[in-house]
Amino acid sequence: DSGVTQTPKHLITATGQRVTLRCSPRSGDLSVYWYQQSLDQGLQFLIHYYNGEERAKGNILERFSAQQFPDLHSELNLSSLELGDSALYFCASSSTTGGSGNTIYFGEGSWLTVV
Amino acid sequence: AQKITQTQPGMFVQEKEAVTLDCTYDTSDPSYGLFWYKQPSSGEMIFLIYQGSYDQQNATEGRYSLNFQKARKSANLVISASQLGDSAMYFCAMRATQGGSEKLVFGKGTKLTVNP
Repeated sequence: DSGVTQTPKHLITATGQRVTLRCSPRSGDLSVYWYQQSLDQGLQFLIHYYNGEERAKGNILERFSAQQFPDLHSELNLSSLELGDSALYFCASSSTTGGSGNTIYFGEGSWLTVV
Repeated sequence: AQKITQTQPGMFVQEKEAVTLDCTYDTSDPSYGLFWYKQPSSGEMIFLIYQGSYDQQNATEGRYSLNFQKARKSANLVISASQLGDSAMYFCAMRATQGGSEKLVFGKGTKLTVNP
């Protein structure tokens, strides 16, 4: 158990809909990262938050948004869903940002299927 | 730009034998970290081992060791005494800095199959 909790574990929804994925980082970790893993794109970095502040954006679509709340949990919102958004979405956390130290632990992922 | 290359799409090993999974990286940052993760068919991403760029010794964690050759920019994972449960995808990743923040850049992975 990595200590990173993601909900829901599985989600099936229709095209055009909106979903919210939730992540609770490891106790004490201030950094939260979101990743998308699909068969054709591999693991893609989406966005990074540190202590409530957005720090970096990767290949995140405009239809997607995220935030980190004062209690440090984070949510990834996916809207106007398309078939191609079907993927495994990971949240990861670490205790700091920057530098070469500190392990990054991943949650078990949220499987999203868009039909 | 930072990049991770894993040249072995698939590897096979006999149970109880050792196996090396290759990883090369490219970065211009003097400070970086290298990670290996295991992803079984169930999907979770399990942290295995970490090596910092300034670490003098190669990292070890149980049956996992990281063969870090800085000059060659390689960070190979060695699994000793393979077990059937080691069958999984293995990803090499590098902590990359980006405007004061950081992210993990992943390789495409190596699928390891352990045969009985």
